[in-house]
Amino acid sequence: GAGVSQSPSNKVTEKGKDVELRCDPISGHTALYWYRQSLGQGLEFLIYFQGNSAPDKSGLPSDRFSAERTGGSVSTLTIQRTQQEDSAVYLCASSLAVRARPSYEQYFGPGTRLTVT
Amino acid sequence: AQSVTQLGSHVSVSEGALVLLRCNYSSSVPPYLFWYVQYPNQGLQLLLKYTTGATLVKGINGFEAEFKKSETSFHLTKPSAHMSDAAEYFCAVKGSRGSTLGRLYFGRGTQLTVWP
Repeated sequence: GAGVSQSPSNKVTEKGKDVELRCDPISGHTALYWYRQSLGQGLEFLIYFQGNSAPDKSGLPSDRFSAERTGGSVSTLTIQRTQQEDSAVYLCASSLAVRARPSYEQYFGPGTRLTVT
Repeated sequence: AQSVTQLGSHVSVSEGALVLLRCNYSSSVPPYLFWYVQYPNQGLQLLLKYTTGATLVKGINGFEAEFKKSETSFHLTKPSAHMSDAAEYFCAVKGSRGSTLGRLYFGRGTQLTVWP
C-alpha cells in the first residue's frame, strides 16, 4: 500500500514568511509524528498525535510552530515568521496505535526540505 | 529518560568486509530499540527492531543486531558489505511510558562508506 507522503518536497521561503508543510499518513495509522532533522541538532521530536487525544506538543521549539491533524488523518505543520534557524528537513511518521502497543514501528515519509533565506 | 549514543559518526569499510555500527542506549525501563537507514534525499527506512524476546534480531538487507542488556548496547552488523549499503544509519530508542510514550529518541547517526 501507499506509504507516508509529504508535500512539498522542497520549500524555499524568505525570512519572516509563514509556511505550511503537509503530511498524509498511512491509511489506518492513528499515531502521527513530526520530527526535524538538521545538521546541528540531528533528529528531534516535535509533536505527536494519537487518535482523538490531545497532541503532545512538548517538542515544538517555539510558539511560532504549530500543527494540527484534521479528521484523524492529514496533518499540517505551520511555521510562522520563519527564521534562518528553521532551515531543516521536516519528517513525518505514522504508526498503529501506540497506546495499545508501544513497540509499533514508525514509518517515515520522504521529508520536506525547508530553506529560509 | 531515554537516550542513544552512536559511537563513530563515520565508518568506512571495503566491499565484502564486516560492517559494525555501534549503539549504546540509556533507559530506565526495558527499551524498545530500532535501527533506521537513510539514503540521500530520502526518509528513514526501518532496518530492524528489538522489543522483547530473542536478543538477536534479523532485519532487511542482511543486517542484524544484538540486544545486550548488561552492556546497554544494540550494535548493528552485516557480515559482508555491499556498495548499496552506503547510507546514514540511525539508532533509536522509543519512549515506552508516560509523557515520552511513542516518541523516538535518535542517535546522531553514522555515515557508512563502502569502498570498492
